[in-house]
Amino acid sequence: DQQVKQNSPSLSVQEGRISILNCDYTNSMFDYFLWYKKYPAEGPTFLISISSIKDKNEDGRFTVFLNKSAKHLSLHIVPSQPGDSAVYFCAASARNRDDKIIFGKGTRLHILP
Amino acid sequence: GAGVSQSPSNKVTEKGKDVELRCDPISGHTALYWYRQSLGQGLEFLIYFQGNSAPDKSGLPSDRFSAERTGGSVSTLTIQRTQQEDSAVYLCASSLGTNLINIQYFGAGTRLSVL
Repeated sequence: DQQVKQNSPSLSVQEGRISILNCDYTNSMFDYFLWYKKYPAEGPTFLISISSIKDKNEDGRFTVFLNKSAKHLSLHIVPSQPGDSAVYFCAASARNRDDKIIFGKGTRLHILP
Repeated sequence: GAGVSQSPSNKVTEKGKDVELRCDPISGHTALYWYRQSLGQGLEFLIYFQGNSAPDKSGLPSDRFSAERTGGSVSTLTIQRTQQEDSAVYLCASSLGTNLINIQYFGAGTRLSVL
């Protein structure tokens, strides 16, 4: 039972354009959402997060949008840069329950020159 | 140390042998997590610790897998009688575990190859 779903295994975007990575979740108890970025041979690194009390959080080129009614979140990267090529993982937790974080399968982003 | 440290970085073993993977979390982090990433797959949750206890072991694939954490710090993941399907990158992460801002910090992983 996959509670966090990233339905696009890969995405290619032209350098300078906007990259939009999508994530859906099924558990209505989730109240905190995170995005991680992973380069080959390295561990994932935290990118940005959002609490369920917000619908948007912005940090530089990265913005995360949360639509609770649709149980959907997205990560926008603008403008996309070559160094953004990586695997992006969406993750979610139910902080009032435990510290467990559930990850999606990831989306591989390719930034094209 | 400054970050999460995992050892060894690479491990090649023969089918049927036991292996131990080690994780040193960030000092002061009470929560520790183990994940597995098989080739072409996402992060598969294995187990997590809050202090020395493991509230959730639901992700352990079989009884050949076990983990312990002592002194609220170092954790060891043990795989007994390894099988080829155990080949994967095993990732460890730690967090403050405050239930408020629960950001996990990952190590670089141990790449396990079972021949």
